[in-house]
Amino acid sequence: TQLLEQSPQFLSIQEGENLTVYCNSSSVFSSLQWYRQEPGEGPVLLVTVVTGGEVKKLKRLTFQFGDARKDSSLHITAAQPGDTGLYLCAGEYGNKLVFGAGTILRVKS
Amino acid sequence: KAGVTQTPRYLIKTRGQQVTLSCSPISGHRSVSWYQQTPGQGLQFLFEYFSETQRNKGNFPGRFSGRQFSNSRSEMNVSTLELGDSALYLCASSLRLRGGGNTIYFGEGSWLTVV
Repeated sequence: TQLLEQSPQFLSIQEGENLTVYCNSSSVFSSLQWYRQEPGEGPVLLVTVVTGGEVKKLKRLTFQFGDARKDSSLHITAAQPGDTGLYLCAGEYGNKLVFGAGTILRVKS
Repeated sequence: KAGVTQTPRYLIKTRGQQVTLSCSPISGHRSVSWYQQTPGQGLQFLFEYFSETQRNKGNFPGRFSGRQFSNSRSEMNVSTLELGDSALYLCASSLRLRGGGNTIYFGEGSWLTVV
């Protein structure tokens, strides 16, 4: 059973569309991180959210941490082909980093 | 500064053999974690080392082991390889142990195929 449920698993959209990826759990996390991984490479950290209700923006990406620190979302505005990749959420839980299964995003031009 | 370096990048082993993977963390980083990534299970935590001591361990059998040297470099070993051990093994380094949003940096991984 995954501690962190990520949805959707796959997303194929056209360039310019908006999208949201969700990361949900019944557990409380001390912090939650979002990573992006491209084929043949390791995950690269996008953002860390620590405070419940926190919202962080990184250019066209908006990250939100739920008030109860159990869930998070990643919203991409006007997606570009360069956004294509595997998006992973990861929560700090008991001194371990627990990863969701990931969302494969494909942005078509 | 140089990133996390993992060797080898690709390797093929036969069932029953053993394998050793190496990780050089970012200079100054004392914590090294190992993860297994497969299409079916995603990223699974193996173990974390800090100052040559294993501080955390995931739910993997005893065939999976690791160690950290005084220069923070780390190795992981898998003995009696099984087909299901085929995966991308990722090493990550950070300045401190996990906690407080401590940033970790991943290497490119070692692709292991067991035939």
